[in-house]
Amino acid sequence: QITLKESGPTLVKPTQTLTLTCTFSGFSLSTSGVGVGWIRQPPGKALEWLALIYWDDDKRYSPSLRSRLTIVKNTSKNQVVLTMTNVDPVDTATYYCAHRRSISGYGDALDIWGQGTMVIVSS
Amino acid sequence: DIQMTQSPSSLSTSVGDRVTITCRASQNIGRYLNWYQQKAGKAPNLLIYAASSLQSGVPPRFSGSGSGTEFTLTVSSLQPEDFATYYCQQSYSNLYTFGQGTKVEIK
Repeated sequence: QITLKESGPTLVKPTQTLTLTCTFSGFSLSTSGVGVGWIRQPPGKALEWLALIYWDDDKRYSPSLRSRLTIVKNTSKNQVVLTMTNVDPVDTATYYCAHRRSISGYGDALDIWGQGTMVIVSS
Repeated sequence: DIQMTQSPSSLSTSVGDRVTITCRASQNIGRYLNWYQQKAGKAPNLLIYAASSLQSGVPPRFSGSGSGTEFTLTVSSLQPEDFATYYCQQSYSNLYTFGQGTKVEIK
């Protein structure tokens, strides 16, 4: 059974760096085809994809946030860490991590999600 | 970036009704389209992948169709537990994008 859980600070001050950790079980990020993504959702708004890391350490970032995001994996700890620099109140959101499932010939999907962690950016 | 546009943004409907939600892509994405359901205060749940394949455990009243730039999610007979927000998402590009969501409310 695949599970993921996000952790990190609830409150961050503007201009600070936000560090979020996704701890997962039921799969290995060293297995071919596997990936973990980060997605966020401001209160009352739509989902926004942020970043994805693959089993081979390939990484993808949202073009609009690329300069502020870094995603890394720790395979031995079964963790993926997302850092976001220079946060602003508009970054207030629930942040989710999710398991990426490869679908042969048809791309992929985020098939298992964590419960999410709420982050408030405020002074 | 590939833009995803859903319509309508919201709809009011009744239990037992047939509901159709449309998702349009800004370029041809083949069948690289997924649908998610999100209930209030919960994480999204994958319903449909590759445009028309039902995720394991999802009731067969949900179905997806389409290819290229136009896709639909259909609920054949809406149940009380189906009142939620639905999102489409493209995986044609490794840079994923979601639609803005469609909220299905009780009339």
